[in-house]
Amino acid sequence: DTAVSQTPKYLVTQMGNDKSIKCEQNLGHDTMYWYKQDSKKFLKIMFSYNNKELIINETVPNRFSPKSPDKAHLNLHINSLELGDSAVYFCASSSNEKLFFGSGTQLSVL
Amino acid sequence: AQSVAQPEDQVNVAEGNPLTVKCTYSVSGNPYLFWYVQYPNRGLQFLLKYITGDNLVKGSYGFEAEFNKSQTSFHLKKPSALVSDSALYFCAVRDILSSNTGKLIFGQGTTLQVKP
Repeated sequence: DTAVSQTPKYLVTQMGNDKSIKCEQNLGHDTMYWYKQDSKKFLKIMFSYNNKELIINETVPNRFSPKSPDKAHLNLHINSLELGDSAVYFCASSSNEKLFFGSGTQLSVL
Repeated sequence: AQSVAQPEDQVNVAEGNPLTVKCTYSVSGNPYLFWYVQYPNRGLQFLLKYITGDNLVKGSYGFEAEFNKSQTSFHLKKPSALVSDSALYFCAVRDILSSNTGKLIFGQGTTLQVKP
């Protein structure tokens, strides 16, 4: 009964490849997010969707494209992966000023 | 610009002793402040928040935080630390320039190490 689940947990790939990370929440929240945590553990918001509509795009390269087929899902597709994309990507949803995070996807670009 | 700072990369404390993890903030207007905890290989978990009201906020797992407007601080405290409290702690402030309540600006994190 995981509240916010994301797959895969680990993703190892070569530079130049395209990959996707999936996220689902069963909390009934309207708003979902992607956050990126770098190797120094610094966290920064990337995108936010409210009820399938994009509401925040934080100057993320357009190689990153979020897609929300419904309000319970927010997937992240990354084209032409670069070494600097290596990080942990967290999906989250929110309610009442609280964020609920998934357990993260550790992306390693070789 | 809005920001939060956690001046300590790591805090070490003995089990049973009180702990404090420091956070200062810089925002215009009234801040919405938060603490989150991250255990190894896990996502962040909400601990507590200050929006308005009593300056002492109680949260999960016996943690509390004190909002101090004059010192622009929001330090996290616990009277008696447990080994299981060892984790990475993040202070955050809501970006008041955004109507999106989940857009948080996080501090750089403080690793809490509680030794038996």
